[in-house]
Amino acid sequence: QVQLQESGPGLVKPSETLSLTCEVSGYSINTGPYWAWIRQPPGKGLEWIASISRSGSSNYNPSLRGRVTISLDTSKNHFSLKLNSVTAADTAVYYCARDRGGGCSDSWGQGTLVTVSS
Amino acid sequence: QSALTQPASVSGSPGQSITISCTGTSSDVGGYNSVSWYQQHPGKAPKVMIYDVTNRPSGVSNRFSGSKSGNTASLTISGLQAEDEADYYCGSYRKTDTSHVVFGGGTKLTVL
Repeated sequence: QVQLQESGPGLVKPSETLSLTCEVSGYSINTGPYWAWIRQPPGKGLEWIASISRSGSSNYNPSLRGRVTISLDTSKNHFSLKLNSVTAADTAVYYCARDRGGGCSDSWGQGTLVTVSS
Repeated sequence: QSALTQPASVSGSPGQSITISCTGTSSDVGGYNSVSWYQQHPGKAPKVMIYDVTNRPSGVSNRFSGSKSGNTASLTISGLQAEDEADYYCGSYRKTDTSHVVFGGGTKLTVL
């Protein structure tokens, strides 16, 4: 059974880069089909950030395009997120997930809270 | 403002049925059979309850069902139980100049 675990700093300063990694276990990341990042600001709803296919083709939320990069490392069986020029509005619980296709995230990590503050 | 429109809250008594709507456009809900529904309990990660409009993942109760008409998708929960009290989100594939995923703002279900 696939398991996902997010890791990364819990505190990032404004204007810096948020970097997170999602370790995948019990399942080969090469099988895919897609891998996604989704976030949830405290007390608010879900926001899809980006996804990447097993072949490395990526899609991004238009509202975040230009600031975000998703990447895959098949040798380590993990995928990553980088979000540049963060502000307080980027404070959220960040989830990684497997996307079975059609935008459906069928397995999720537990989530990690990232706070943007000086 | 969320891309898909859901009611902020719905409620029902144990044993009753409720329906949550999710309204989008022809670029997302209306144009593709790629609508998913997620259940989220406080402090927990979301869990998919319905995918591809009508399909239930293995292990999800058959009390949960999905449908779609035009640009509006719906989640129906029958035989309400106390454990169904949670937030529910719809999500849909969207194709405009780019391909991406959009979510609804979420609906708080209260079991009275």
